[in-house]
Amino acid sequence: GQNIDQPTEMTATEGAIVQINCTYQTSGFNGLFWYQQHAGEAPTFLSYNVLDGLEEKGRFSSFLSRSKGYSYLLLKELQMKDSASYLCAVRDRHHTGGGNKLTFGTGTQLKVEL
Amino acid sequence: DAGVIQSPRHEVTEMGQEVTLRCKPISGHNSLFWYRQTMMRGLELLIYFNNNVPIDDSGMPEDRFSAKMPNASFSTLKIQPSEPRDSAVYFCASSLSGGAGVYEQYFGPGTRLTVT
Repeated sequence: GQNIDQPTEMTATEGAIVQINCTYQTSGFNGLFWYQQHAGEAPTFLSYNVLDGLEEKGRFSSFLSRSKGYSYLLLKELQMKDSASYLCAVRDRHHTGGGNKLTFGTGTQLKVEL
Repeated sequence: DAGVIQSPRHEVTEMGQEVTLRCKPISGHNSLFWYRQTMMRGLELLIYFNNNVPIDDSGMPEDRFSAKMPNASFSTLKIQPSEPRDSAVYFCASSLSGGAGVYEQYFGPGTRLTVT
């Protein structure tokens, strides 16, 4: 099974940098995903890490340490439109039958202020 | 591509009634997922299918919930009888799967269900 922990809320200033942490415990690991969800909308895919290190994609970067069961999402040059919930999700390696099962954390609500 | 399609977008029903939610995955995707999202419990996986076969239904709350995938382009989630505690947003998602790869899940717009 999976246990995923991330902060409930964070507040940051427009133009600043914010780091959203995620820790997980899992019986099997096959990748970590970050999704963004604006209020009233569906989650959308942001990033994926399966090996240790940093993955950069424009203003967003994601880091993974498998030995520590730890990931973070880094958002640079914050904009008001970045106000959203950010969901950490872990994919289970030990799953028979094929498929692509994810377990989601409860999400971090980010508020960007002027 | 139209993305994942869900219907209805909103459903208001009375306790005890049957509710059927529908989903059309992205063409070519072979995995389909049903999630439920509430403020209290976040995003929970109810059931998922791979190549139209149910793989894991451990998240289905109880026997009142059932899901089918009769073909690669259609799935239903049924609640019978519905209860007020079933009120939530229900998302359908689809992805590719098999072998190594990112295989990110694409979510539909969701069905907001209110049971009174």
